[in-house]
Amino acid sequence: DIQLTQSPSFLSASVGDRVTITCRASQGISSYLAWYQQKPGKAPKLLIYAASTLQSGVPSRFSGSGSGTEFTLTISSLQPEDFATYYCQQLNSYPYSFGQGTKLEIK
Amino acid sequence: EVQLVESGGGLVQPGGSLRLSCAASGFTFSSYWMSWVRQAPGKGLEWVANIKQDESEKYYVDSVKGRFTISRDNAKTSLYLQMNSLRAEDTAVYYCARGTRGWYNWFDPWGQGTLVTVSS
Repeated sequence: DIQLTQSPSFLSASVGDRVTITCRASQGISSYLAWYQQKPGKAPKLLIYAASTLQSGVPSRFSGSGSGTEFTLTISSLQPEDFATYYCQQLNSYPYSFGQGTKLEIK
Repeated sequence: EVQLVESGGGLVQPGGSLRLSCAASGFTFSSYWMSWVRQAPGKGLEWVANIKQDESEKYYVDSVKGRFTISRDNAKTSLYLQMNSLRAEDTAVYYCARGTRGWYNWFDPWGQGTLVTVSS
């Protein structure tokens, strides 16, 4: 089974900051990775799929990169609505798995 | 508008059964893989099961194999999760999510979730 490890698990940042979240896979998954945003009490929302493709309607300040075992989600300039928990998900092979999450908090 | 609405959650005793439903609308249901994902209180996301468009392929996380069954009714545009031999560790919000048309499935959109509580 493929394990995904996100770093950091917690991140404190300010509006306007550039932040990067890393997701490492225990084995190569090509570009079969997605990123989600979840706000308290809400369902997750797809941000990026195939490692770097921005989902329709998602602001361009979000970007994804990477392949193989290391991936990053970058928010170029944090907005107040971006404070949430972010998860990566591998879809390369079953069983699918998610990272443990990164909680992004306001500094 | 694409919409997924789950129902069927509730309180059940350990060892009991529950059937979750997910009503889909706003897209061609029969063209997409469908999935269940759960989230225990205060915890992260856990993929539970996937089902192919024609039900010919089904996949499960190891912890639910032999206890949970995913199914669908394309005529009723509905997804189901039959959960048997429930355990305390199955307590979670269960989300229905649309996959893709192809083999590699990211999830979009998700339903609002239904809470399953396993407790005596």
